[in-house]
Amino acid sequence: SAVISQKPSRDICQRGTSLTIQCQVDSQVTMMFWYRQQPGQSLTLIATANQGSEATYESGFVIDKFPISRPNLTFSTLTVSNMSPEDSSIYLCSVIDSNTGELFFGEGSRLTVL
Amino acid sequence: GQQLNQSPQSMFIQEGEDVSMNCTSSSIFNTWLWYKQDPGEGPVLLIALYKAGELTSNGRLTAQFGITRKDSFLNISASIPSDVGIYFCAGQLLDSNYQLIWGAGTKLIIKP
Repeated sequence: SAVISQKPSRDICQRGTSLTIQCQVDSQVTMMFWYRQQPGQSLTLIATANQGSEATYESGFVIDKFPISRPNLTFSTLTVSNMSPEDSSIYLCSVIDSNTGELFFGEGSRLTVL
Repeated sequence: GQQLNQSPQSMFIQEGEDVSMNCTSSSIFNTWLWYKQDPGEGPVLLIALYKAGELTSNGRLTAQFGITRKDSFLNISASIPSDVGIYFCAGQLLDSNYQLIWGAGTKLIIKP
């Protein structure tokens, strides 16, 4: 099974600042995703991080607000830009295991925006 | 957009009781998945279902893929304190490569 490490695990941020979340996987994976989980809510897919090309964003999410990098098959970053309190959420990195097709999640990065 | 209706929203039960939760949709799904999320953690896959009518167990957990492909249930027998958490169903639509539709979650609380 894929092991996913996310950094930071939590942070408290000031309004208007930006924060970059890192996702490191212990094996090469083709498909990597970023999800948002707002307090008490289910998971919402932000985007698919494509290696070597621009991320594919879901409806309601844009690159200017959530720029994503995917420099290789084991690493991705998500930046939450110009944060407001409404961005306070858990942000989760997930991958599809190339061998089993199973979806694995990182532990999440809990952001609180003041 | 596509939606999954997951119920109940929360459950307060006594240790040892059986638990049942379900997800329904108006859409037909190719795959049903059940995840559990502990506080401060990402969701962890419990059971995956791939065929209509499939009944699969994982220890005290049993899940079924509905015959109509539009619903699924998860049962937990003889609940224990470590079962506490939020349970999510997720479905993969037909003709969908990887996109999952998520239920709103069922929060399980075990009364001391």
